[in-house]
This record gives sequence, C-alpha cells and structure tokens, in this order.
Amino acid sequence: DIQMTQSPSTLSASVGDRVTITCRASQSISSWLAWYRQKPGKAPKLLISKASSLESGVPSTFSGSGSGTEFTLTISSLQPDDFATYYCQQYNNYPWTFGQGTKVEIK
Amino acid sequence: EVQLVESGGDLIQPGGSLRLSCAASEFTVSRDYMTWVRQAPGKGLEWVSVLYSGRTYYADSVKGRFTISRDNSENTFYLQMNSLRAEDSAVYYCGRHQYGVGIDCWGQGTLVTVSS
Repeated sequence: DIQMTQSPSTLSASVGDRVTITCRASQSISSWLAWYRQKPGKAPKLLISKASSLESGVPSTFSGSGSGTEFTLTISSLQPDDFATYYCQQYNNYPWTFGQGTKVEIK
Repeated sequence: EVQLVESGGDLIQPGGSLRLSCAASEFTVSRDYMTWVRQAPGKGLEWVSVLYSGRTYYADSVKGRFTISRDNSENTFYLQMNSLRAEDSAVYYCGRHQYGVGIDCWGQGTLVTVSS
C-alpha cells in the first residue's frame, strides 16, 4: 500500500499568513493527488485535483504543486474560513490512501 | 443539485451486521466511481471501498467483511458491513469520485457505533 505522510501535523498561523503543507508518497503516484479541507462535524471538501488543478469555486489563494512523491498545498493568504484540517489523498493505486491530516489553527 | 444522502448508521453489537445506504440525486451512480470513507472519532480520514463498472476494491482493514454494491434502479449504493468490530466505529461518508479528479461530492455522514 502507498503511505501518505503529511507535515506538519499542526500549524499555527494568523489571518493573512502564507502557509504550506507538504504531502509525501511512499512511491510515485504521478499527479494523482487530491487535497481536501474539513471543518469539524462536516464532510471534507475537494480543493485541488490532479495535484495542481483548482476546483471550481475554490478561492485562488489555494494552489497545489508537485508530482511523483512530493506535493505541496499553499494558501497564499490565510482567511478565517481556512482554519480547518487538510488532507491529501492518492488515487493512483488501490487501496486509495489519505495522509494523516494537517490542522491549521489560529496563532 | 448533485447530492448524496446517507442512511443506516446505528449502534450495533460486536460481531453484528449493518447496511449503509447512499442515495444519489442529479447524477447516475452507475457512471462514476462510488466510494466510502470513514472517520473514527477524533481521527483522520480512512478510505474504505470503491465501486466502478462492476469492479470493487477495499481497504485491507475491511476486506472480506464489507461489501460495496449498487442498485441502478434506485440510483443508490450500499455498504454491507459484517463481523463488525469496535474499531469499525466511525462516521461513514459516501462519495462520488470523478475519474482523475477526486471525491467531489460527499454525503453528510452517518455514525456507526460498535459496542456492547
């Protein structure tokens, strides 16, 4: 199985900050990676597909990059709505797998 | 509006069985990858299973105990869970995974608690 490792596990930041979350795969997944945001008690929301494609309706402050085994999610200017937990997911191989999550909290 | 509505979560004893349902609106379940993801209390997301074009895949943790299926006439898909264990306790989300994209539509989640 492909292991997905996110870092950091927790990130403290302020509104307006630029934040970067990293996701590493245990083997190459090409660009078959998605990023999700989840707020407490809610279903996740798809932000980025194919490593770098911004989903419709997602603010342009979000961007994704990477291929192979190393990927990043960047929020260029953190907004109040962005304090949440973020997950990466690979869908290159079965079983699909998620990273363990990165919680972005208010500093 | 594209929507998924789940049902079936419950409190069940260890060793018991439960079937979760996920009804789709404004799209056809037979044409997409339909998937289940779970989240234990306070934990991260865990992918469980996917069904596409008659093919099924499962996480190792549920293989042999869970079965994913669909009813095209009802535009609904299911997760049959047998031999349930305490570690299966979680909120279960159904989802539509568009090919090459990701899970772009999620159900609201249904809680399964396995406890005596």
